[in-house]
Amino acid sequence: DSGVTQTPKHLITATGQRVTLRCSPRSGDLSVYWYQQSLDQGLQFLIQYYNGEERAKGNILERFSAQQFPDLHSELNLSSLELGDSALYFCASSVDGGWTDTQYFGPGTRLTVL
Amino acid sequence: GQQVMQIPQYQHVQEGEDFTTYCNSSTTLSNIQWYKQRPGGHPVFLIQLVKSGEVKKQKRLTFQFGEAKKNSSLHITATQTTDVGTYFCAGPDYSNQFYFGTGTSLTVIP
Repeated sequence: DSGVTQTPKHLITATGQRVTLRCSPRSGDLSVYWYQQSLDQGLQFLIQYYNGEERAKGNILERFSAQQFPDLHSELNLSSLELGDSALYFCASSVDGGWTDTQYFGPGTRLTVL
Repeated sequence: GQQVMQIPQYQHVQEGEDFTTYCNSSTTLSNIQWYKQRPGGHPVFLIQLVKSGEVKKQKRLTFQFGEAKKNSSLHITATQTTDVGTYFCAGPDYSNQFYFGTGTSLTVIP
């Protein structure tokens, strides 16, 4: 158990819908990262937050957005969902968000878009 | 665009045999990290190498970072069934982007 929690574990929804994935970092970690894992794209970095501020942006679609709240939990919002958005979404956290920091991954949220 | 490729994609070995996965990036990485993901699990951090040419060992695992900081390898000596999983290299480039390799799935036959 990494100490990172993600909810829900599974999510099934329809095309065109909007969903919110939630992540709580390990106690004491200030930085949160979001990743998408799919069979065709592999593991892709989406976005990183540090203490409430966006720090780095990867291959995140415009239909997706994220934020980190004052209590340091983070939410990833996915809208106008398409079949291709079906994937495993991981959140990770680290102490201070530098790229030499160890990232601890949560168990993931499996999103299925029908 | 930037790519981090790993070979082989799949590797089946008899228990006790050695295993190596190679990681190649199209651009220079500031550090290289290795993760292991068990089937149905999440990536777990194994190690990080920062200096070019660096070699680190963790029991039966040996990690190398290339001189040009564009390639890396992970070698496992005398594999065990507990080594089963997918091994990913990953790292940031110098433009604040983070990339995962394509992964090598290891199966160990008892």
